[in-house]
Amino acid sequence: NAGVTQTPKFRILKIGQSMTLQCTQDMNHNYMYWYRQDPGMGLKLIYYSVGAGITDKGEVPNGYNVSRSTTEDFPLRLELAAPSQTSVYFCASSYAGDNTEAFFGQGTRLTVV
Amino acid sequence: QQQVKQSPQSLIVQKGGISIINCAYENTAFDYFPWYQQFPGKGPALLIAIRPDVSEKKEGRFTISFNKSAKQFSLHIMDSQPGDSATYFCAASTAGFQKLVFGTGTRLLVSP
Repeated sequence: NAGVTQTPKFRILKIGQSMTLQCTQDMNHNYMYWYRQDPGMGLKLIYYSVGAGITDKGEVPNGYNVSRSTTEDFPLRLELAAPSQTSVYFCASSYAGDNTEAFFGQGTRLTVV
Repeated sequence: QQQVKQSPQSLIVQKGGISIINCAYENTAFDYFPWYQQFPGKGPALLIAIRPDVSEKKEGRFTISFNKSAKQFSLHIMDSQPGDSATYFCAASTAGFQKLVFGTGTRLLVSP
């Protein structure tokens, strides 16, 4: 059981480039999330999805886009990368319903230079 | 009102001591309060969680104390061990949806 798998683990982007961070889960979870983690700032929610075809903005969505065509996959797209997007990105998933455990991937460390 | 304030930012405890991390919130609609543990290079993992209908929850050496009137909750790690050295995040969410609001994290170092 792989849980939540993120690729790549590390990436360096030049300013203005685009990329997609991949996230897949094999737990048949309805809910999926993207967070970014900056030093001393905790985790901030970028986008979330409550099921295939349904996505919504979190606290810090600017500069990002998502799609959810299947239950398993929830890719995060960065368009026109900026230095402010240098961060560690975590994908997570959980069952639907109240107060269930969120399972996190191992993260993608992105540097924009 | 969506913030969860966490303190201290860092903490050094001797082996066998008690580690205490505190969090405070404003949004009275929050009704689920988990603590996540994160080791370097890993994603956060659920450690223990509490709902506001109880004032304390204990799992092994880890205890959450919850004060609904003060809108505060804390994590106590008894008999702290070097293997507990990690970053700890408190979080909160509202009923019906697991959209966690995280604290800023506490880096715990347990010295041998």
